[in-house]
Amino acid sequence: DQQVKQNSPSLSVQEGRISILNCDYTNSMFDYFLWYKKYPAEGPTFLISISSIKDKNEDGRFTVFLNKSAKHLSLHIVPSQPGDSAVYFCAASDTGTASKLTFGTGTRLQVTL
Amino acid sequence: DGGITQSPKYLFRKEGQNVTLSCEQNLNHDAMYWYRQDPGQGLRLIYYSQIVNDFQKGDIAEGYSVSREKKESFPLTVTSAQKNPTAFYLCASHLVFPGGGSEKLFFGSGTQLSVL
Repeated sequence: DQQVKQNSPSLSVQEGRISILNCDYTNSMFDYFLWYKKYPAEGPTFLISISSIKDKNEDGRFTVFLNKSAKHLSLHIVPSQPGDSAVYFCAASDTGTASKLTFGTGTRLQVTL
Repeated sequence: DGGITQSPKYLFRKEGQNVTLSCEQNLNHDAMYWYRQDPGQGLRLIYYSQIVNDFQKGDIAEGYSVSREKKESFPLTVTSAQKNPTAFYLCASHLVFPGGGSEKLFFGSGTQLSVL
């Protein structure tokens, strides 16, 4: 039972444009959400997080939006850069923290010149 | 530099053999985790430990074992009972704040395990 779903396996965006990566979840107890970026054969690196008490969190070029009623979150990257090309994972927890995260299957973002 | 060190980077296992993946952190983190990544799948939790000498099974613990004798070390043994061990294994850790948990999980660089 996949509790965190990333339905788009891949996404291609031109440099300078906005990248929007989506994530849906089924567990209504999830109250903390994170996005990680991963390059091949490396460990994921933390990008941004959001608590369920918020609906938006920004950090530089990265913004995460949370729609609790739809059980949906999205990561916006503006402007997209070639170095953003990687696999992006969303993750969720029902502990209000980063403990015991449940990960999605990932979306491969390709930023083209 | 503080961080999480996983070794080896690549590991090969023969049929019926147990192998141990190393994970060491010098971040003084309380909690440590092992995740497994298969192609096209997300990271799945194998085992985790919130404090020394204590650990719990994750979602896919069968065929694996761990120990947590020291705060900085959390080795994972892939036993012969794990019939499909080929995967990318990731170790992670975080601090545990007084209220529990942490803001984010830090990952090591991973170990690719393959079966010969």
